[in-house]
Amino acid sequence: GAGVSQTPSNKVTEKGKYVELRCDPISGHTALYWYRQSLGQGPEFLIYFQGTGAADDSGLPNDRFFAVRPEGSVSTLKIQRTERGDSAVYLCASSLGAGNTEAFFGQGTRLTVV
Amino acid sequence: AQSVTQLDSQVPVFEEAPVELRCNYSSSVSVYLFWYVQYPNQGLQLLLKYLSGSTLVKGINGFEAEFNKSQTSFHLRKPSVHISDTAEYFCAVSPSGGGADGLTFGKGTHLIIQP
Repeated sequence: GAGVSQTPSNKVTEKGKYVELRCDPISGHTALYWYRQSLGQGPEFLIYFQGTGAADDSGLPNDRFFAVRPEGSVSTLKIQRTERGDSAVYLCASSLGAGNTEAFFGQGTRLTVV
Repeated sequence: AQSVTQLDSQVPVFEEAPVELRCNYSSSVSVYLFWYVQYPNQGLQLLLKYLSGSTLVKGINGFEAEFNKSQTSFHLRKPSVHISDTAEYFCAVSPSGGGADGLTFGKGTHLIIQP
């Protein structure tokens, strides 16, 4: 597709369950970012990939959060033992690569933990 | 580390009136500056960015912003707003060291256009 695609668009899960959120970046974009946007807040940086490797994961809130990008394209954000406080919109963005200054965002996955 | 402050959580403006959305930042290194817009039920879209050069930058939909280094500000302006400009506006910064670092966002300003 032409833009960043995120699936699912909505996810409701029970507290304690495991969830996976998927991001398909723009073809050819080597840099990929995950952000979390809580209600009434701006997006908060979680992790940045350059190719297959996580170049900066300093924004991950704790070890229940993990992300992978095994082939340098699609990325999956994984959340273990979900908590109600994890409820937010999870945004993915991609850009051409290091030094590129325009990130393109997907529409996000709205995660609700009940 | 960087931080961004958007002092106004909501700005109501009458249609065809001018508007200014305020953004101040704090950083120990040089930064790039961005404004993103988020229309209802849509993803973030880049409005404009300041990387270097002229401090007045023009973006899409008639918006412009001015970088003021001494005041560490990057306020967004539009001379005449339309109903379609109703949206959430986010100011963001990233270090200008050349790496594709993540963005630091402000909390956003909800622009409400009144007919």
